Amino acid sequence: DQQVKQNSPSLSVQEGRISILNCDYTNSMFDYFLWYKKYPAEGPTFLISISSIKDKNEDGRFTVFLNKSAKHLSLHIVPSQPGDSAVYFCAASRYSGAGSYQLTFGKGTKLSVIP
Amino acid sequence: GAGVSQSPSNKVTEKGKDVELRCDPISGHTALYWYRQSLGQGLEFLIYFQGNSAPDKSGLPSDRFSAERTGGSVSTLTIQRTQQEDSAVYLCASSRVGTPFQETQYFGPGTRLLVL
Repeated sequence: DQQVKQNSPSLSVQEGRISILNCDYTNSMFDYFLWYKKYPAEGPTFLISISSIKDKNEDGRFTVFLNKSAKHLSLHIVPSQPGDSAVYFCAASRYSGAGSYQLTFGKGTKLSVIP
Repeated sequence: GAGVSQSPSNKVTEKGKDVELRCDPISGHTALYWYRQSLGQGLEFLIYFQGNSAPDKSGLPSDRFSAERTGGSVSTLTIQRTQQEDSAVYLCASSRVGTPFQETQYFGPGTRLLVL
């Protein structure tokens, strides 16, 4: 049972345009959401996060939107640059009750920004 | 080093053999996590350490998997009697504090395990 879903395995965008990556979740216990970026042969790198009490968080070219009623979040990259080409993972966090915040990841979306 | 390091970067083993994967977290990070990513799947949580203790082992897929952490630093993930379905990238992450606040987890490059 996938609790975090990224339904688009890949996305191609022209340089300078907006990239929109989507993520849906099913567990209402998630209270914190993160986006990670991953290049080949490297570990995921934290990009941006949002608490469940907010609906938007912005950091430079990156903005994350959260729609709790729809259990949906999205990452907007404006303007897209070729260096943004990577796999983007959506992750959701909840307190596990055993002293840790467990991250549940989606399968990732491969973004290709075309020069 | 400044980041999380893992060794080996690649490991090929035969079915039935035991393997050990190592993680060196960022200095001073008390929380350490192990995840794995199978082909075409998202990252799957395995185990969490706070210091040397593991309060959350809920993600370990079977009793063939075990992990330990010594000195509040280095962690070793051991897989006994490896099976082909164990083939995956095993990722380690660390953060400053596990609870009660959210802290960004920083990931290592992973160990690619292939069981023949």
